[in-house]
Amino acid sequence: NAGVMQNPRHLVRRRGQEARLRCSPMKGHSHVYWYRQLPEEGLKFMVYLQKENIIDESGMPKERFSAEFPKEGPSILRIQQVVRGDSAAYFCASSPGHGNEKLFFGSGTQLSVL
Amino acid sequence: GESVGLHLPTLSVQEGDNSIINCAYSNSASDYFIWYKQESGKGPQFIIDIRSNMDKRQGQRVTVLLNKTVKHLSLQIAATQPGDSAVYFCAALTLGSARQLTFGSGTQLTVLP
Repeated sequence: NAGVMQNPRHLVRRRGQEARLRCSPMKGHSHVYWYRQLPEEGLKFMVYLQKENIIDESGMPKERFSAEFPKEGPSILRIQQVVRGDSAAYFCASSPGHGNEKLFFGSGTQLSVL
Repeated sequence: GESVGLHLPTLSVQEGDNSIINCAYSNSASDYFIWYKQESGKGPQFIIDIRSNMDKRQGQRVTVLLNKTVKHLSLQIAATQPGDSAVYFCAALTLGSARQLTFGSGTQLTVLP
């Protein structure tokens, strides 16, 4: 595992469907972050998780969005009943934590809502 | 809250020249800063970081300068190459708090032949 792995790279959904985005952090990293990026904009923080815990979800919309980072397996960002405004690139990043906040990013998932 | 902005949305430089990308931040409590490079269709790639107890840090062909007095940092790229063409983001963080990296909107650097 050379880096942060995200899948799928591209995801197309129709309005009202569910989108599931997956992220496997770098080996040895226990902290996962999700960011959203709209075209020609910076990355907006969504949520910060450690194994089995949501540490900070202040950037997450209150409805339809949820995230988890289970004890085993990848972190999942779930968007229910997608709308066109959810179309964006979603990036996952990981860090070792414990005072080292240097984030390493995956290649992102481009979500397109038709 | 924190806001991070960049002075110019686009910057064009001749190959071989030096590039300077500027960034301003609003929260004087920010004490950790990172520059990222993002190529089209890819995730942000770490370039260099600096903590607030420093005012300069150098890497390979890159230098970050931090001026806490005016809450400004810059990224200098020496001898800019075509492969440096990308969007560059600065990000700020307050260590020890629950707040996360706040990103600026980015500067598109174009290297001209």
